Amino acid sequence: QVQLVESGGGVVHPGGSLRISCAASGFTFSHYGMNWVRQAPGEGLEWLAVIWYDGNKKLYADSVRGRFTVSRDNSKSMVYMEMNSLRAEDTAVYYCARWGIDAATIVLDRWGQGTLVTVSS
Amino acid sequence: EIMMTQSPATLSVSPGESATLSCRASHTVGTKLGWYQQKPGQAPRLLIYGASTRDTGIPARFSGSGSGAEFTLTISSLQSEDFAVYYCQQYNDWPLTFGGGTKVEIK
Repeated sequence: QVQLVESGGGVVHPGGSLRISCAASGFTFSHYGMNWVRQAPGEGLEWLAVIWYDGNKKLYADSVRGRFTVSRDNSKSMVYMEMNSLRAEDTAVYYCARWGIDAATIVLDRWGQGTLVTVSS
Repeated sequence: EIMMTQSPATLSVSPGESATLSCRASHTVGTKLGWYQQKPGQAPRLLIYGASTRDTGIPARFSGSGSGAEFTLTISSLQSEDFAVYYCQQYNDWPLTFGGGTKVEIK
C-alpha cells in the first residue's frame, strides 16, 4: 500500500537550518509530483511547495520562497525539504503529500504522518 | 492568491443528523475544489475532488457540490467517526490554498 514516512524534524534555533525527508513506498514514485504542507499548532493547513514528478519544476509559497528548497531523488523514492533561516513562525508539523488522481487534478491523495519542527531558542 | 473561506468555524451536530459545510473562493475556481477530513493527531485524508467526486473508499454519505466560487460538503447521517475538522482546497491556480477549516463536533 502507499506509504509516506517523514523524518528529520526536531528543535532548531531561530536562524538555523534543517532538512526533513519523506520516504515513499507502495507506488511508482517517479510518476507523481510531491508536495509539502505544514500545520502550525492548533492551526489550519498551509501548502508550502511542490516538485514535479521529474524534479524539473518546483513552486513555492511566498512564505518560504528563498528560504526553503524542495528536491527529490527518484532512485531512492525520497523527497526532501531543506529549510534555512528558520523563524519561530515556521514551527509546525510538516507533511509530505502525493499529487494524486491525475495531472490536472492537484489534490493531495496520500499523506505522511508528519514530522514536527520546532524553532525556538 | 485565491483565498478560501469556510463557514461555520464550528458546527455542532447530533449523531444521525446531517451537516452542511460551506466553502467560498475569492475568485472562481470552476470545479477545481477538494475536501479533506482531519482527525486529531492524524494527517488529513482526501474525501472529494472535482467538487463532487468521492475519492476511493469514501462513503456515499459524503457528498460535494458547487462550482465557481461557492461549494458545499454535505455529510448525511453523521457517524461517530465523522466528527473531525474539514478543509476545502482549491487547485485552479498556484499556490494551492486551503480554507481555515470547519470543526464538526458532537452536539
